[in-house]
Amino acid sequence: DTAVSQTPKYLVTQMGNDKSIKCEQNLGHDTMYWYKQDSKKFLKIMFSYNNKELIINETVPNRFSPKSPDKAHLNLHINSLELGDSAVYFCASSETLPGGPVTQYFGPGTRLTVL
Amino acid sequence: AQKVTQAQTEISVVEKEDVTLDCVYETRDTTYYLFWYKQPPSGELVFLIRRNSFDEQNEISGRYSWNFQKSTSSFNFTITASQVVDSAVYFCALSEVETSYDKVIFGPGTSLSVIP
Repeated sequence: DTAVSQTPKYLVTQMGNDKSIKCEQNLGHDTMYWYKQDSKKFLKIMFSYNNKELIINETVPNRFSPKSPDKAHLNLHINSLELGDSAVYFCASSETLPGGPVTQYFGPGTRLTVL
Repeated sequence: AQKVTQAQTEISVVEKEDVTLDCVYETRDTTYYLFWYKQPPSGELVFLIRRNSFDEQNEISGRYSWNFQKSTSSFNFTITASQVVDSAVYFCALSEVETSYDKVIFGPGTSLSVIP
């Protein structure tokens, strides 16, 4: 069974379009994340949600809007796509204990190409 | 300043050689977690190990071993008798529980190529 799943795996679109990436986890975790990995493989956190509430927003352009309908889902909607948005986007989830979040488990990634 | 430094951008070794991937971190927190992740050519991110700041015991898992030294703020990863399947990008990461709860900071990664 897939623990963290993302759809689609590949997304090719034109500049200016709006697109969404979906993420679901079946691990029972209460914290979910979106990361962006650029062409140099650098991984940077974009958002974090804990029990459907936004915890981290790392100065991401407001064209990016995460939506968490429930704690098992965290979708990413991107408006007015730009060339620089081309990257691999990873969803992740983790359990949160009193001492802090523990290990993050990642989805397979969505490779977004903006033409 | 980078909080997680992986000074080796790319490493190439011949199969069966041992290789150590360096990771140096920077934090003022007394409570933190360190991680290693593997990203093979297929692209997924695979969790390898988590270590908390109070546990300096080194760990061995098969051909993998980790050396955590708080005195030098390092958490190095050694692969013994490397295999072609070890070829991947390896990321070291830090989670500072006191400063930035819920945030994991990744290093830039080390790309390891194991040549048959």
